[in-house]
Amino acid sequence: NAGVMQNPRHLVRRRGQEARLRCSPMKGHSHVYWYRQLPEEGLKFMVYLQKENIIDESGMPKERFSAEFPKEGPSILRIQQVVRGDSAAYFCASSPGQGVGYEQYFGPGTRLTVT
Amino acid sequence: AQRVTQPEKLLSVFKGAPVELKCNYSYSGSPELFWYVQYSRQRLQLLLRHISRESIKGFTADLNKGETSFHLKKPFAQEEDSAMYYCALRHDYKLSFGAGTTVTVRA
Repeated sequence: NAGVMQNPRHLVRRRGQEARLRCSPMKGHSHVYWYRQLPEEGLKFMVYLQKENIIDESGMPKERFSAEFPKEGPSILRIQQVVRGDSAAYFCASSPGQGVGYEQYFGPGTRLTVT
Repeated sequence: AQRVTQPEKLLSVFKGAPVELKCNYSYSGSPELFWYVQYSRQRLQLLLRHISRESIKGFTADLNKGETSFHLKKPFAQEEDSAMYYCALRHDYKLSFGAGTTVTVRA
C-alpha cells in the first residue's frame, strides 16, 4: 500500500490565481480529511469528506475554499483567488472508517506559497 | 472548544538522557489523545494513543485528567528520536494539534 498520496508537493501561485491540491487516499479508505498548517502553528482541521459527500466543512473558510471527493479519482481542495495568507502546508489524511479505533493516515503534504 | 498546548517549541537533550515533552489540553468531554511524530523528510505518523496504554519505541504517555496533561516520556533518548512531535486530541473525527516540539538528541 503506497500510503496517502498528495500532489503537487510544492505549489507556487501568484495572488489571484487558483490552487488545486490533490489527495489520493490509501486503498480501501473512503474517509478523507484535510488539515492546514500555518507557520509556527499546529495542524487545523478544515473538512471531512466521504465518497461524493461533504460531511463536515466547519473548519474551512466560507469563501474561496471548496473541497470534493468524487466517486472516481482523488479528493481535491480548491482555493480560488489565492491571497498571501493562504500560504501554508496542506495535509490530507484518510481512514477506513470513522470513530474510536480508526487511525488517520497522513500524506506528505502540499506546501503552497503565494507570491 | 478543545485546545492542545505544547509549551516547548524546542527541546535539546543528550543521548542517553531522559526526555519529556509536555502536552496540556482543554476539553469538556472524555478526551482521546495521541502523540504523532514527524521525522526529517517523512510524513506525520502516529506514535501512540492513550487508549492503547502501550510503549512504542521506548516512549510512554500517561493521561492525567486532573492536570489535563498527556506528557510524552522516554527514559533514555536516542539520536534517532530527533524529530518533530505533535500532541493531538480527537473530538469525533477532528484532530486538534498542538504547535509541536522539535526534539534534538545530541551525541
